[in-house]
Amino acid sequence: DIQMTQSPSSLSASVGDRVTITCRASQGISNSLAWYQQKPGKAPKLLLYAASRLESGVPSRFSGSGSGTDYTLTISSLQPEDFATYYCQQYYSTPITFGQGTRLEIK
Amino acid sequence: QVQLQESGPGLVKPSETLSLTCAVSGYSISSGYYWGWIRQPPGKGLEWIGSIYHSGSTYYNPSLKSRVTISVDTSKNQFSLKLSSVTAADTAVYYCARLGNCSGGSCYSEYFDYWGQGTLVTVSS
Repeated sequence: DIQMTQSPSSLSASVGDRVTITCRASQGISNSLAWYQQKPGKAPKLLLYAASRLESGVPSRFSGSGSGTDYTLTISSLQPEDFATYYCQQYYSTPITFGQGTRLEIK
Repeated sequence: QVQLQESGPGLVKPSETLSLTCAVSGYSISSGYYWGWIRQPPGKGLEWIGSIYHSGSTYYNPSLKSRVTISVDTSKNQFSLKLSSVTAADTAVYYCARLGNCSGGSCYSEYFDYWGQGTLVTVSS
């Protein structure tokens, strides 16, 4: 199985801040990486796929980059609605695996 | 717009079988894509359970494979999950979702683009 490790596990930030979350795979995944946002009591929402492709309807302040084993999600200017938990997911091979999540809280 | 809706008992006794159904609207399962189940224990992360194609082709998480069966009913445009011999560790919110990116039969490992709202299943006597 490919293990996905996110850092940090939690993060405090303010509206307007630039935030970066990192996801590391235990082996190369050739950009087969997706990012999700989850708010309490809701299903995860797809933000990006193929490491850097923005899902339709997702604000452009969200961006993704990376290659090989290391990937990042960046939010360029935090908005109040962005405070949530973020998960990465690899789909390079089965079993499909997720990172443990990064909780983004208001400072 | 593709919509998914999970249904099934919210309470299951230990050692019994958990059964859930996901009804799909806005898209015909027979037209393609893999369809999957993911679960999330309270306060914890996401775990992929398995996925199915309209042909019946399935892929399961090896950690659950011995207890999981996923089936599809194209006439009702729905797919189902059965998890046997449940314990308290199987208590979770169970989500159904579509695997996006491509609709072909080789696209069994993809991201999830449409999700159901989730249903909490508690295992308790």
